[in-house]
Formats: sequence, structure tokens, C-alpha cells
Amino acid sequence: QKEVEQNSGPLSVPEGAIASLNCTYSDRGSQSFFWYRQYSGKSPELIMSIYSNGDKEDGRFTAQLNKASQYVSLLIRDSQPSDSATYLCAVISLNDYKLSFGAGTTVTVRA
Amino acid sequence: GAVVSQHPSRVICKSGTSVKIECRSLDFQATTMFWYRQFPKQSLMLMATSNEGSKATYEQGVEKDKFLINHASLTLSTLTVTSAHPEDSSFYICSARDGSGGFNEQFFGPGTRLTVL
Repeated sequence: QKEVEQNSGPLSVPEGAIASLNCTYSDRGSQSFFWYRQYSGKSPELIMSIYSNGDKEDGRFTAQLNKASQYVSLLIRDSQPSDSATYLCAVISLNDYKLSFGAGTTVTVRA
Repeated sequence: GAVVSQHPSRVICKSGTSVKIECRSLDFQATTMFWYRQFPKQSLMLMATSNEGSKATYEQGVEKDKFLINHASLTLSTLTVTSAHPEDSSFYICSARDGSGGFNEQFFGPGTRLTVL
């Protein structure tokens, strides 16, 4: 059973601040790592994918992966009220291509 | 990112009836599609994995005779909830895997909200 754990929320940050989201996973065979954003009542939207150790930046989002520590994080810089959502960490092992999701961290950006 | 559509977006039906939900990958071929269910304030729960041209693989605890999945083409998978009951009311979401280029990204459809009266 693959387990994905995310830091418990909710996380409240002021507009313009950095939101930091953390995720750990138990399956060392995990190869692909994703962050999805889910607005209330909507389906998840892929915002970042990362496959190798290090940082990956895309606009205001930066994903960090450390396979030795089985840890992946997401930083949201210059947070905006529109970033208020639940963020889901997900991992895939190459064995079955199934996504294993964390429970999600709800982020609220205060204007 | 790739686009996945679902139809209908919302359905209300009477207990005992069957409901079919369609999932389409619009701009890529999806050899694998996944069906999830999400209850309020919970994370997504994988129900089954659907591969084009073969039988779906169901997760433990998911009744294959109740949730019929057909993946007849590389762009279409359907989920039929048979003899629906109020406890089947949920948000059903499909995703499609774009395996081209060696990546494993999954893109989600907008979801179907099912209410069984």
C-alpha cells in the first residue's frame, strides 16, 4: 500500500506571502510526483510534475524533490487569493501507473 | 495540458436506475483511463483502471458488476452505475494518462456529480 502524507491544514497565508506545502511518501519505487490544485466542487488540475531530484520552477510555483528523504514540496510565491484551494500531492510508481494521493492541504490566501 | 471531457456534468436519478458517464480525451490518445470517486471533504478514491480493448481492473471493495466500465477506443471510456442507490451519490471523476514522450501525467475530466434520490 503506497502512502502519501501531506502536512495538515488548513494553511492560511497573507496575500503576497509564500505558501509552503510538504509531502512525504512511503514507496521508494515511486518515480513520478505531481501537485494538483482542486477548487471546491471542481476536479483536480495538474499544476506541477517533477521526476528528478532538485527544484523545478514554473511561474510562481516551485516543486522540490528529494528521493533519498522521500520528500516532495511545493512553494507558491507571491500568493494570490485565487490560489486558495486544496492542493493534492500525488505519486506514481512505474509498476502500475496508478496515482496515490495525499489527503490534501487546504490553502487560504487572505487579501 | 491535455484536455479531458466528461458528460454529463451533473445527473439526478431515481433509485434503481442506471446512469452512464462518458470520459473523452480530446487531443491525445489515452491507452489508460482511471475512474475515481470523491465524497465531500475527502480525497479521491480510485475505483478502477481502464485499458483500451481490455477488461477494467477494479480496486478492492469496488463492485465490478455495479460499476461497469468500457474502454472501447483510445479516446473514450464509459462508467455505468447500475441500479443506483442514494449511497452511490458522489462526485465521479475520470482521468486519462498521456503516456507519449515517456511521461506519466494524468489529466482529469471536470467530473460528474451524481445524485440518487
